[in-house]
Amino acid sequence: DQQVKQNSPSLSVQEGRISILNCDYTNSMFDYFLWYKKYPAEGPTFLISISSIKDKNEDGRFTVFLNKSAKHLSLHIVPSQPGDSAVYFCAASEGAGNQFYFGTGTSLTVIP
Amino acid sequence: GAVVSQHPSWVICKSGTSVKIECRSLDFQATTMFWYRQFPKQSLMLMATSNEGSKATYEQGVEKDKFLINHASLTLSTLTVTSAHPEDSSFYICSAPDRTTREETQYFGPGTRLLVL
Repeated sequence: DQQVKQNSPSLSVQEGRISILNCDYTNSMFDYFLWYKKYPAEGPTFLISISSIKDKNEDGRFTVFLNKSAKHLSLHIVPSQPGDSAVYFCAASEGAGNQFYFGTGTSLTVIP
Repeated sequence: GAVVSQHPSWVICKSGTSVKIECRSLDFQATTMFWYRQFPKQSLMLMATSNEGSKATYEQGVEKDKFLINHASLTLSTLTVTSAHPEDSSFYICSAPDRTTREETQYFGPGTRLLVL
């Protein structure tokens, strides 16, 4: 049973525009969330995290929003750049020190 | 910042041989490390939890005799794929939580791509 879901397998965005990647989870005990991006044949690269005590965390062009009541988080990338083209995974855990459950990923293509 | 390394990053081996993958926490000690596996076009799936000083905890469906895990020290965990077969070809990733900082976080290794011929 997939506890973390990314319902959009792919997304295309024009360079300079905003990319919004969505993630839903089912386990209300999850309280720590991560976003990773992955290029082909490489390991995941950490982007940004958020704990459930916050509803927003920002790092440069990347902002993660957490809606606990909806069990939903999203990653906003603005402005999008061609180098952002990759597969993005969200992951959730009960506490930052425990195992993570990963979504199936969303492939983002930023069109120059 | 804290880094988790994996070695090797790429390995190609013949069917029937064993392959050892190392996961090291470079800046912190990790009593626990996690091993994940990624199948093509699927998400990362937890294989096992490596515990320093005790046996690893395996997820359901993961053969503990095939995927040997040894948490040799507070900075090193190894995953040995024994008698590897082509279906073991995958991307293996480890992670380690850093519980020494005020705000606990977890770091992922860069992954090891295994190809069994």
